[in-house]
Amino acid sequence: DGGITQSPKYLFRKEGQNVTLSCEQNLNHDAMYWYRQDPGQGLRLIYYSQIVNDFQKGDIAEGYSVSREKKESFPLTVTSAQKNPTAFYLCASSILSGDTQYFGPGTRLTVL
Amino acid sequence: DQQVKQNSPSLSVQEGRISILNCDYTNSMFDYFLWYKKYPAEGPTFLISISSIKDKNEDGRFTVFLNKSAKHLSLHIVPSQPGDSAVYFCAARANFGNEKLTFGTGTRLTIIP
Repeated sequence: DGGITQSPKYLFRKEGQNVTLSCEQNLNHDAMYWYRQDPGQGLRLIYYSQIVNDFQKGDIAEGYSVSREKKESFPLTVTSAQKNPTAFYLCASSILSGDTQYFGPGTRLTVL
Repeated sequence: DQQVKQNSPSLSVQEGRISILNCDYTNSMFDYFLWYKKYPAEGPTFLISISSIKDKNEDGRFTVFLNKSAKHLSLHIVPSQPGDSAVYFCAARANFGNEKLTFGTGTRLTIIP
């Protein structure tokens, strides 16, 4: 059963702590993406990766970091430098960079 | 600078009628457009797309129309069903190989039984 999984669904962290959000896909897609959604706003691109061991900053990369050591996995770390980390985070993948993107179920991060 | 705009934050339509969601864009380099549907606390689901070489694409109850001269696209849902109630996002991409999708702010569609 192919798809994109994100875990956990809900995540709570104390202010000042780094937190890593998981994203795994078994679709054999080369490209993966991280977006953030805030109430009343569209999706904003944080980071993307076109191929293993390579990634680029999106529009709002400050305070975030990623790695792409495996084709299937693209974890996102929300660091303490991110000023307003509470949001809904969405991971997506596509066969190739620029193709239609398919999304995971999302992780809602709340920083207390 | 909002390059993709969905000017209607919400829309209510009677069940069985046509729903029309609109999207405007400003970047003339956009050549591929997509519509996504999103339920609360879930990831967006791809609905339908259209290339700039076409002006219409149809898939079942969903049809997307593209007017390049007006930089406008619309999604038509006929007939509207209660399960169509969701937030709809328009997205655009500039040139194949460009990884970035630019999303609109979404329109919340409510189907009234």
